[in-house]
Amino acid sequence: GDSVTQMEGPVTLSEEAFLTINCTYTATGYPSLFWYVQYPGEGLQLLLKATKADDKGSNKGFEATYRKETTSFHLEKGSVQVSDSAVYFCALSGGTNAGKSTFGDGTTLTVKP
Amino acid sequence: GAVVSQHPSRVICKSGTSVKIECRSLDFQATTMFWYRQFPKQSLMLMATSNEGSKATYEQGVEKDKFLINHASLTLSTLTVTSAHPEDSSFYICSASRQARNEQFFGPGTRLTVL
Repeated sequence: GDSVTQMEGPVTLSEEAFLTINCTYTATGYPSLFWYVQYPGEGLQLLLKATKADDKGSNKGFEATYRKETTSFHLEKGSVQVSDSAVYFCALSGGTNAGKSTFGDGTTLTVKP
Repeated sequence: GAVVSQHPSRVICKSGTSVKIECRSLDFQATTMFWYRQFPKQSLMLMATSNEGSKATYEQGVEKDKFLINHASLTLSTLTVTSAHPEDSSFYICSASRQARNEQFFGPGTRLTVL
């Protein structure tokens, strides 16, 4: 079946540091890939997405590129802020189980001033 | 666009009572809705998938008689936790998707506490 493996956390960075959260996936077919962000006590918000190979999703300074050759969708941001502190989930949809999403375990990011 | 709401956002109930959680797609027709459960510091666990007008499909290990799901319209799905017990305390999140689309839109979640 489908699976998503995320870099284990927690990750602690200083403000303005560079962020990378690794994500690799296993799926058949041509899934869409997503990064979601969850703030404490809230649901998931879509951060960015990519629907086909070599697509780059971007939003709020975050970027991720759909790499089919390495089955990866790593999340990056050049300069993190305290307000970026949250849990980040990598996910795929439309793979083996059409319509269902498969989530990674989540990575907790804490940014210190 | 693509807003999903959940009600209530928080609920506290006594053991043995039933609790209903509503999930609504506010500005689109959701042919499929998903219900997830999330334990503290863990990822989302899919409980069931519901399509409008048909019975929900439950994931392995999820008791369908305990977690009743109804998807009566294209904008509303409900999850009823029957005879709730403290171990049912959790964060429940719904999501909705449009027909033939891979993207899901998530509700803000419902925190259930069973005393």
